[in-house]
Amino acid sequence: GNSVTQMEGPVTLSEEAFLTINCTYTATGYPSLFWYVQYPGEGLQLLLKATKADDKGSNKGFEATYRKETTSFHLEKGSVQVSDSAVYFCALSERADSWGKFQFGAGTQVVVTP
Amino acid sequence: DAGVIQSPRHEVTEMGQEVTLRCKPISGHDYLFWYRQTMMRGLELLIYFNNNVPIDDSGMPEDRFSAKMPNASFSTLKIQPSEPRDSAVYFCASSLGQGAGNQPQHFGDGTRLSIL
Repeated sequence: GNSVTQMEGPVTLSEEAFLTINCTYTATGYPSLFWYVQYPGEGLQLLLKATKADDKGSNKGFEATYRKETTSFHLEKGSVQVSDSAVYFCALSERADSWGKFQFGAGTQVVVTP
Repeated sequence: DAGVIQSPRHEVTEMGQEVTLRCKPISGHDYLFWYRQTMMRGLELLIYFNNNVPIDDSGMPEDRFSAKMPNASFSTLKIQPSEPRDSAVYFCASSLGQGAGNQPQHFGDGTRLSIL
């Protein structure tokens, strides 16, 4: 079956540091890949997505590249801010599925200190 | 456009009571999902609907849980009787079926449920 594996948190770093959150997946077909962010007390919000190999999703300074050869979709940001403190979820959706069911990773908590 | 709207935002009740959580999906979305989030188990899919019809309820923990979608703009998740272990944040999400797999799910802000 499909699965998503994320690096465990919490990840603690200082403001302006470089952030990487690793995400790898297993899928039977050709999934679309997503990163969601959850701020305290809120629901999950779509951060970025990529729908085919070598696509790069980007938003708010975050980037992730769909790497089919390594089945990975690592999230990166060059200079984090305190406001980036949140839980980040990697997710996949099998394009072949007619109902768009998502497989979410366990989430990685990121804490950015001033 | 309004996002997914859930009510109530917070619910505190005693064990044994009936709890009803409500969700209004984004207009035009034909898929609706109910999730439960806890520290121990993370984000779990409970059930999802397509065009108001339940498609997969394999994630519903037990018979005490039931979900309905009487029309395209409203869904409920009911727990009866409630137990302390049901305490969690419950999320509703909706998405467009067209181009399924490429379309993101849009989440509400959740209902934080505490069963005493």
